[in-house]
Amino acid sequence: SQTIHQWPATLVQPVGSPLSLECTVEGTSNPNLYWYRQAAGRGLQLLFYSVGIGQISSEVPQNLSASRPQDRQFILSSKKLLLSDSGFYLCAWSVIWGNTGELFFGEGSRLTVL
Amino acid sequence: AQSVTQLDSQVPVFEEAPVELRCNYSSSVSVYLFWYVQYPNQGLQLLLKYLSGSTLVKGINGFEAEFNKSQTSFHLRKPSVHISDTAEYFCAVSAAAPNSGGYQKVTFGTGTKLQVIP
Repeated sequence: SQTIHQWPATLVQPVGSPLSLECTVEGTSNPNLYWYRQAAGRGLQLLFYSVGIGQISSEVPQNLSASRPQDRQFILSSKKLLLSDSGFYLCAWSVIWGNTGELFFGEGSRLTVL
Repeated sequence: AQSVTQLDSQVPVFEEAPVELRCNYSSSVSVYLFWYVQYPNQGLQLLLKYLSGSTLVKGINGFEAEFNKSQTSFHLRKPSVHISDTAEYFCAVSAAAPNSGGYQKVTFGTGTKLQVIP
């Protein structure tokens, strides 16, 4: 069966520090990968998606970047965090062939920027 | 462009009472529809989905939803809620993005917090 893991689960970082959140999918090949951010009362905002290694699409301009160094690994990064980067970050995957948009989510990473 | 509206941000309901969480969407193309549940500090879990066929869809934990194309709605229902149903519920729509080679654009609603009162 397929599983998705992301870490760390919680992170407290000072403003201006770097960030790296990692996500790994197991049990499937060539998945679409996604990073979402969830802010209170605002639902889920798609930050990045990837349809293959090295292929990253950004949905909104921001202080963050994403990379996909391996087929089932997706990394969210920042060189210098802002207060507004605080939130709950969710990694997700979907199938490519026969994709209906059904997403499978990781456990989430809560980032607090102080 | 597509959008999803969940008008109720919070819904309190007594244990064993029925509940309906509303979801309306807009899209210029055919869509797939989903409901997800999120427990505190966890990721989202699929409750149910409508892809095609019968408009009444049954999901996990006794939930069901009905797709109404004319009213562009996909309301979630449960005849008798339990304390363990306390969570946030998200409606989502998915449609093929133009010129994307099959990529499905997924749009989420802002969520409805269901609070079950003992």
